[in-house]
Amino acid sequence: DIVMTQSPDSLAVSLGERATINCKSSQSVLSSSANKNYLAWFQQKPGQPPKLLIYDTSTRESGVPDRFSGSGSGTDFTLTISSLQAEDVALYYCQQYLGAPITFGQGTRLEI
Amino acid sequence: VQLVESGGDLVQPGGSLRLSCVASGFTFSTYWMNWVRQAPGKGLEWVANIKQDGSVKYYMDSVKGRFTISRDNGKSSLYLQMNSLRAEDTAVYYCVGGRGWVFDAWGQGTLVTVSS
Repeated sequence: DIVMTQSPDSLAVSLGERATINCKSSQSVLSSSANKNYLAWFQQKPGQPPKLLIYDTSTRESGVPDRFSGSGSGTDFTLTISSLQAEDVALYYCQQYLGAPITFGQGTRLEI
Repeated sequence: VQLVESGGDLVQPGGSLRLSCVASGFTFSTYWMNWVRQAPGKGLEWVANIKQDGSVKYYMDSVKGRFTISRDNGKSSLYLQMNSLRAEDTAVYYCVGGRGWVFDAWGQGTLVTVSS
């Protein structure tokens, strides 16, 4: 199984500042056939289901603000929020979907 | 896009439960479908998925032989038959649809509690 490890577990950032969350996979999540890293990011607010933010490492889902961006390759990935807004307080999860079992990171709690 | 789960309940260890999910607002038959669970206060855990035509299914190791995922495209419905339930199966179960394996549509979840 591919193990996903996020860092840090929690993060406090001032409004308007940059937030960076890291995700490391225990093996490559590169699809050789598609030449894409199958890595996604989700945001979850209390009492709500997760919401897809980023897929294929860096493709922003429709409707997601452009302050959210994803980067990385191979086994190291990053979610960046360029200018933190109050509504960004949430749990964030990375996920690999290269193969079954699909696995998630343990989550990073983002606070103001 | 809407996914509505039902069937969650309090059940004793060793018991069975069947979860259902009804989809609307998209072409259900073109989506891989998944069940993802979240234990109280814990992270996300993928449980199982099923191909568009039902011909391919994958499961996490701890539910193999106990859980069965199925779908009825005519009814735009996804199911999870859960047998031999354990305390560690206690969680909110989400029905999740995907373009391929990208999880872009989530239900609100249904709570399964396994306890005596």
